[in-house]
Amino acid sequence: GQQLNQSPQSMFIQEGEDVSMNCTSSSIFNTWLWYKQDPGEGPVLLIALYKAGELTSNGRLTAQFGITRKDSFLNISASIPSDVGIYFCAGQLRNDMRFGAGTRLTVKP
Amino acid sequence: GAGVSQSPSNKVTEKGKDVELRCDPISGHTALYWYRQSLGQGLEFLIYFQGNSAPDKSGLPSDRFSAERTGGSVSTLTIQRTQQEDSAVYLCASSFGTGLSPLHFGNGTRLTVT
Repeated sequence: GQQLNQSPQSMFIQEGEDVSMNCTSSSIFNTWLWYKQDPGEGPVLLIALYKAGELTSNGRLTAQFGITRKDSFLNISASIPSDVGIYFCAGQLRNDMRFGAGTRLTVKP
Repeated sequence: GAGVSQSPSNKVTEKGKDVELRCDPISGHTALYWYRQSLGQGLEFLIYFQGNSAPDKSGLPSDRFSAERTGGSVSTLTIQRTQQEDSAVYLCASSFGTGLSPLHFGNGTRLTVT
């Protein structure tokens, strides 16, 4: 079962707004990952974080690996309609991968 | 191949029938995972294969579920005597299995049990 707490569960925002979502865990992970899932497709990797405190950007996306290794956040700046989808966080310890329940993002033009 | 390939993409079956779902991982990936995603839900871990090691079956919900991985490559997830609550998207993912290698997912098989 899922051991990560991901919030918010859903977000409805206006195009151009910034978005922030986060994940917390009671367990330590060595890697934090953020995936996006479009309808009818599998999750696609957005950002991977490998070190506590690491802050990584990928275009309009920025993610951070919490210093305690038990949390991570993802920010999306200046949202656009194609950002719509479900965003999943994942924590990895060796080959054990756990997922959050997802954040469903809706962007209104 | 270029990505993880799953087949069929959709499967409709009658309650009580057996189904087999197939996954072709990315070439060279030694780790293979199966997840289940119910409508509007997150990813539920089912089973994990790593090389020739015994699989981690700790996520399989019942003994009606089983999986094989032949030759360290293709995997088949079998659900026997399907029930309506088995309806979900079944996702396969693979990785290099180094512990730092992220998972790459297929597009899933949408299973509907009527």
